[in-house]
Amino acid sequence: TQLLEQSPQFLSIQEGENLTVYCNSSSVFSSLQWYRQEPGEGPVLLVTVVTGGEVKKLKRLTFQFGDARKDSSLHITAAQPGDTGLYLCACGGATNKLIFGTGTLLAVQP
Amino acid sequence: SQTIHQWPATLVQPVGSPLSLECTVEGTSNPNLYWYRQAAGRGLQLLFYSVGIGQISSEVPQNLSASRPQDRQFILSSKKLLLSDSGFYLCAWSFPGATRGGYTFGSGTRLTVV
Repeated sequence: TQLLEQSPQFLSIQEGENLTVYCNSSSVFSSLQWYRQEPGEGPVLLVTVVTGGEVKKLKRLTFQFGDARKDSSLHITAAQPGDTGLYLCACGGATNKLIFGTGTLLAVQP
Repeated sequence: SQTIHQWPATLVQPVGSPLSLECTVEGTSNPNLYWYRQAAGRGLQLLFYSVGIGQISSEVPQNLSASRPQDRQFILSSKKLLLSDSGFYLCAWSFPGATRGGYTFGSGTRLTVV
């Protein structure tokens, strides 16, 4: 079973700061997704990356897929309180199921 | 457009009582369906998934079972709840055959076993 480790587990920052969260595995991903989850809600898909070295941007969020497709990062520029939530990476493959990472809980203080 | 409904939103049940959580999807046919459980502030643990009516795959041995009596209906059940069954349960769907399109999640059920 592929395990996805995310770091850091918890992150508390001030509004306007930048941050990066990481998702790592010992195995190669066929694709990698990032989700954000707000308290009491289900996760919402942010992005899917497929190609090694791929970089995708979603407003202030930048997602990168490692060249070897074993790791990914999410960088947030000028964080805002609305970015607060649990960030989850997930990997899928030939099977019909996604395996989720351990999660990074982000709190952005105003 | 596709929508997913999950209920109830919260549930408090005594130990030893039965459980039935329901999830339905609208606007698509033959979806893949999933049940996950989540500990507070942590990642999701896949419990069951289904690629069709009556087809259930169990990921972890546990006190729970799942059924898919109709194409777009997925039910999570237990005959006798344990304290350790407490958690946040999430239903999700995806298009069949691939995961790259991502999952769409329901809003979850907060289960507290007392």
